Amino acid sequence: SQQGEEDPQALSIQEGENATMNCSYKTSINNLQWYRQNSGRGLVHLILIRSNEREKHSGRLRVTLDTSKKSSSLLITASRAADTASYFCAIQGGSEKLVFGKGMKLTVNP
Amino acid sequence: NAGVMQNPRHLVRRRGQEARLRCSPMKGHSHVYWYRQLPEEGLKFMVYLQKENIIDESGMPKERFSAEFPKEGPSILRIQQVVRGDSAAYFCASSAQGTANTGELFFGEGSRLTVL
Repeated sequence: SQQGEEDPQALSIQEGENATMNCSYKTSINNLQWYRQNSGRGLVHLILIRSNEREKHSGRLRVTLDTSKKSSSLLITASRAADTASYFCAIQGGSEKLVFGKGMKLTVNP
Repeated sequence: NAGVMQNPRHLVRRRGQEARLRCSPMKGHSHVYWYRQLPEEGLKFMVYLQKENIIDESGMPKERFSAEFPKEGPSILRIQQVVRGDSAAYFCASSAQGTANTGELFFGEGSRLTVL
């Protein structure tokens, strides 16, 4: 399956703590992306990492990619209550379409 | 610059009726993707269209579902003879180029279909 799988499926932390989410996949990829979805809303793009990149930063977000292990991680530092959402990894392989995982629910408690 | 616009946001249909979901991509975007999301699930790819062309419909059910993206006007996802299992949120996303080149998709807020 081309689908990415996020781990853990749910995570609850306190404000100020860091949150780490992992994504594993099975096929070769062109790029891997992370999206966020607030309850009842559409998805918002967070960050994209290409297959020849190992790490990218964007504000409080840090993404790593290990193509040998077919895995990626998303780190949110100094979390805030507003970071509470579902997070999805999506992989773009040989075709044009993005294939999404089932998502991970992050709860940041004030 | 308006984002991706989807309407209706909520649609209720009885079994056997037709549902039409519309999506206007961001200005300047010619690539449209439709995804379906069941409650507490991820997004399932349905179809990828460019203006007047279906590029990839590998995720579309063989029957009752169709999609178009005409030269003028929004993209339409049409579901004929709806059944209860069609109840879901349907999301449209657009990009200026295909995801192989630019990657990022811009999503609408979704259309939530309820079949009674």
